[in-house]
Amino acid sequence: NAGVTQTPKFQVLKTGQSMTLQCAQDMNHEYMSWYRQDPGMGLRLIHYSVGAGITDQGEVPNGYNVSRSTTEDFPLRLLSAAPSQTSVYFCASRLDRGTYNEQFFGPGTRLTVL
Amino acid sequence: AQSVTQPDIHITVSEGASLELRCNYSYGATPYLFWYVQSPGQGLQLLLKYFSGDTLVQGIKGFEAEFKRSQSSFNLRKPSVHWSDAAEYFCAVGAYSGGGADGLTFGKGTHLIIQP
Repeated sequence: NAGVTQTPKFQVLKTGQSMTLQCAQDMNHEYMSWYRQDPGMGLRLIHYSVGAGITDQGEVPNGYNVSRSTTEDFPLRLLSAAPSQTSVYFCASRLDRGTYNEQFFGPGTRLTVL
Repeated sequence: AQSVTQPDIHITVSEGASLELRCNYSYGATPYLFWYVQSPGQGLQLLLKYFSGDTLVQGIKGFEAEFKRSQSSFNLRKPSVHWSDAAEYFCAVGAYSGGGADGLTFGKGTHLIIQP
């Protein structure tokens, strides 16, 4: 099993550009989520999905869109990048929405918006 | 809603010394509690978890944690640290709300530095 994979590992954007961060898992997990990690802020939840076709907002959803057309993939879209979105982004998955399940994290995408 | 506090932003420990990282939580019922470790440039990895039963839980890499309900704490310990333990450590509390929320809240992390 590859676990949770994310691409790209690094990305530099200009303000106003759009891009998609890719996330995939091969563990047949129902639940997937996106976090951003900023210094001194810990992990903050952006969006999550409890299954294919179902998504919901987390703590900091503004400026981001998600979709979940398959169980395996959960891409995160930045529609118009802003410098405030400079961060490290982590995708995670767990078996289902029950938080007693171990959550697996991808290696992260480091995004810089100029 | 639940919350997690990690009072120490940075901790420096000498190699071979013992370690204790503090975590306090706020939740109305018995929570699910976790410790994760993040090595530089990596994602988070689960060290250990507490759901119920024995309040002292063992994890990977020689770590353990003790749940103390009276103090709302779940402190992480290791008797003798190694240079490879230098990393960021996150405490997390989970609550299965069943109502559409994620239910998992992370602390802001403690950065562990190991002195030779």
